Amino acid sequence: GENVEQHPSTLSVQEGDSAVIKCTYSDSASNYFPWYKQELGKRPQLIIDIRSNVGEKKDQRIAVTLNKTAKHFSLHITETQPEDSAVYFCAAEASGSARQLTFGSGTQLTVLP
Amino acid sequence: GAVVSQHPSRVICKSGTSVKIECRSLDFQATTMFWYRQFPKQSLMLMATSNEGSKATYEQGVEKDKFLINHASLTLSTLTVTSAHPEDSSFYICSARARLAVRCPFGQGTRLTVV
Repeated sequence: GENVEQHPSTLSVQEGDSAVIKCTYSDSASNYFPWYKQELGKRPQLIIDIRSNVGEKKDQRIAVTLNKTAKHFSLHITETQPEDSAVYFCAAEASGSARQLTFGSGTQLTVLP
Repeated sequence: GAVVSQHPSRVICKSGTSVKIECRSLDFQATTMFWYRQFPKQSLMLMATSNEGSKATYEQGVEKDKFLINHASLTLSTLTVTSAHPEDSSFYICSARARLAVRCPFGQGTRLTVV
């Protein structure tokens, strides 16, 4: 099955700096890669996603890049703000009819004011 | 659009009792629903996948007789934790997807505490 690895597990940045979180996946047939932000006790919120026919996608301060050959994708947050502090999860959608998501282990991002 | 509602948000039950959690798609027909469990400071772990009108498919290590899943309609799936024990205390979250949809929104989650 799919295996997703995520790094780093914790990340602290100064307000205004950029944050980068990286994930690798194992199933070369995976073709959908969402990123979620989860605040304590809340549901994961989709913040950006990318399909395998695209190498990069941007939405304001958030961008995702995908390298299918290397089987890795990254989340980039620019101009970080304290409200960006949360746990971020990457995921990869399995090939097959059920299309389950396999999640990375999560990154606790702390933006220091 | 694509809203998923989960109920209850919190439940405390006594050891040995059963708890039912509901997951509803409010504005779309969910052909597939997923149930996850999340322990503190850990990732989401898929427990089972359910398709409307058929038996759920459980992930390895998840006891199907303990975690009963019913997906009787295109807008409702339920997870029943039977004979709950303190080690079942966790955050249970569902997600739902319409046929051919790309995205799979999550419910609010249910914080289960077994005492």
